[in-house]
Order: sequence, then C-alpha cells, then structure tokens
Amino acid sequence: KQEVTQIPAALSVPEGENLVLNCSFTDSAIYNLQWFRQDPGKGLTSLLLIQSSQREQTSGRLNASLDKSSGRSTLYIAASQPGDSATYLCAVPNTGNQFYFGTGTSLTVIP
Amino acid sequence: GAVVSQHPSWVICKSGTSVKIECRSLDFQATTMFWYRQFPKQSLMLMATSNEGSKATYEQGVEKDKFLINHASLTLSTLTVTSAHPEDSSFYICSARRTGSSYNSPLHFGNGTRLTVT
Repeated sequence: KQEVTQIPAALSVPEGENLVLNCSFTDSAIYNLQWFRQDPGKGLTSLLLIQSSQREQTSGRLNASLDKSSGRSTLYIAASQPGDSATYLCAVPNTGNQFYFGTGTSLTVIP
Repeated sequence: GAVVSQHPSWVICKSGTSVKIECRSLDFQATTMFWYRQFPKQSLMLMATSNEGSKATYEQGVEKDKFLINHASLTLSTLTVTSAHPEDSSFYICSARRTGSSYNSPLHFGNGTRLTVT
C-alpha cells in the first residue's frame, strides 16, 4: 500500500522568504502527484498536478518537482506572503482512482 | 470550470438522527465521486468510491449500513450518516473526477461539511 509522508509537519517563516515543502512516497509506480492547499475548515484547492513523466511544474510563485525514482516531490514557494498560510497536502493516485494523501504541512507566514 | 459544490457546509445534529450530505459537480459530469473523512490535524482518509448507477465501493473498516451513499445522477452523490453518534463528528469532503478523464487528470474537491453530533 502506498504511504505518503510530508515533512515538516509545521513550518513558520517570515514574509518574503522562499521555502520548500517535502513529500515522499513509498511506491514509485505513480501516474502523477498533486499538491493541494487546505485552509482551516475548508476543502482542498488544487495547486499543481505533475505527471509521472514530468520533472517539474510551475504556477506563479509555486514550483513543484518530482523525482519518481527516489519517491520524492518538493513544492517550492517563492517570496512567501501571509496569504500563503494554510495546510499543504500532496497526494498520489493508485490504479483504482483513489488518492493517497500525506498528513500535510501547516505553513504560517508571519507578516 | 470543474466546480464541486458540497452542502451543507456545516451541520449539528442530535445523537441517533441521520444527516444527508450532498456533493454536486456544477459544470461537469462525474461518473465517479469519492467521499473522504478528515479528523482534526490528520489527513484525508478515503471512505468510499461512489459510482453513478451502481453500488458504492467502501474502504475496509467503513460501515456500509451506517454511511449510505447514493449516486443517482452524473452530477450528484449523497452521503447519509445514519443513526449518528458523537464519534461520527468529523469533516467530510467529497471529490469528483470528470467523466471520461484518466488517472492523469486532476481531482476536484468540494469545500467539505463539518458534522457535529451532540
């Protein structure tokens, strides 16, 4: 069974800093990996989807990388802002259309 | 596009009563929808996969008779928590995949329903 781990569990940075969130998975036979953002008491907002054949994907200040062979993905956030404060989840699907989620990284950006 | 609406966003009910949660894909058809449960400070755990026109597939440990799922149309799936107990209090989130899309396409989530059973 796929296991997805995210490190760190919580992160606090001053506004303007660049930061990296980490996601690791045990089964490298993945179709893609998706990064989500979850605000407190809310659902999930898709940030980036990176296909298994891709090495990275960018959207604005966000950049996701994928190293399938080592079972790792990183989400890079440039020039962090207080509005980036949220929990960030990574997830990978299996062949049954199910997603395995990591436990998330709670990010706080201090003004 | 690809908006998933979940209703209600929060609900409080008494122990022993039943609660229905709706998940609608507003601008696309979804043959398959998924129901997740999330406890505080924990990640999402898949409860069941809802398939339009057929029975839902439940994950191990999820009681079928307690969590009734109906997916009667290509845009609506419902989760009914029957005879709710305080331990059923949780955050329930649905997601949907556009009909005909592959595993490589993104999953779209509703905003979740906070259920509190008193």
